[in-house]
Amino acid sequence: DQQVKQNSPSLSVQEGRISILNCDYTNSMFDYFLWYKKYPAEGPTFLISISSIKDKNEDGRFTVFLNKSAKHLSLHIVPSQPGDSAVYFCAASGGNQGGKLIFGQGTELSVKP
Amino acid sequence: EAEVAQSPRYKITEKSQAVAFWCDPISGHATLYWYRQILGQGPELLVQFQDESVVDDSQLPKDRFSAERLKGVDSTLKIQPAELGDSAMYLCASSLRRRSSNTEAFFGQGTRLTVV
Repeated sequence: DQQVKQNSPSLSVQEGRISILNCDYTNSMFDYFLWYKKYPAEGPTFLISISSIKDKNEDGRFTVFLNKSAKHLSLHIVPSQPGDSAVYFCAASGGNQGGKLIFGQGTELSVKP
Repeated sequence: EAEVAQSPRYKITEKSQAVAFWCDPISGHATLYWYRQILGQGPELLVQFQDESVVDDSQLPKDRFSAERLKGVDSTLKIQPAELGDSAMYLCASSLRRRSSNTEAFFGQGTRLTVV
């Protein structure tokens, strides 16, 4: 049972444009959501997070939106840069999960010059 | 900048051999996680420690995997005997999290295990 889903395995965007990565979850008890970026052969790097009491959190070029009623979150990257090319994972925690992070399958973003 | 240290970075081992991975979390981080990531999938939790205690090892294959964090600081994950299906990236992460607070987890570089 996949509690966190990223339905797009890959996304390609042009440099300077907006990248939108999507994530859906099924467990309504999740109350904290995170996005990680991962380069090949390296560990995931924390990007940005959002608590369920908010619907938006912004950090520089990265903005995360949370729609609790739809159980959906998205990561917006504006403007996209070639160095953003990586695999992006969304993760969720809270409720009865005891602090562990439940990850989606990842979306591979390719930003073309 | 504080980092989670893992070693080795790469490990090739033969089927049925024993293998061990080491992790040193960020100083002061109470929670330590071991995750396994298979290519094309998201990381999956193997074991979670709060200080020196295991709080979740429900997905750890206990017939062959073991983990310890004896003094509540660094940790070792062991596989004995290794099987071909254990080939994956093994990731260690740590967080300040205590009890119900939500904080981000920081990951190490990982250990890429190949079982031949």
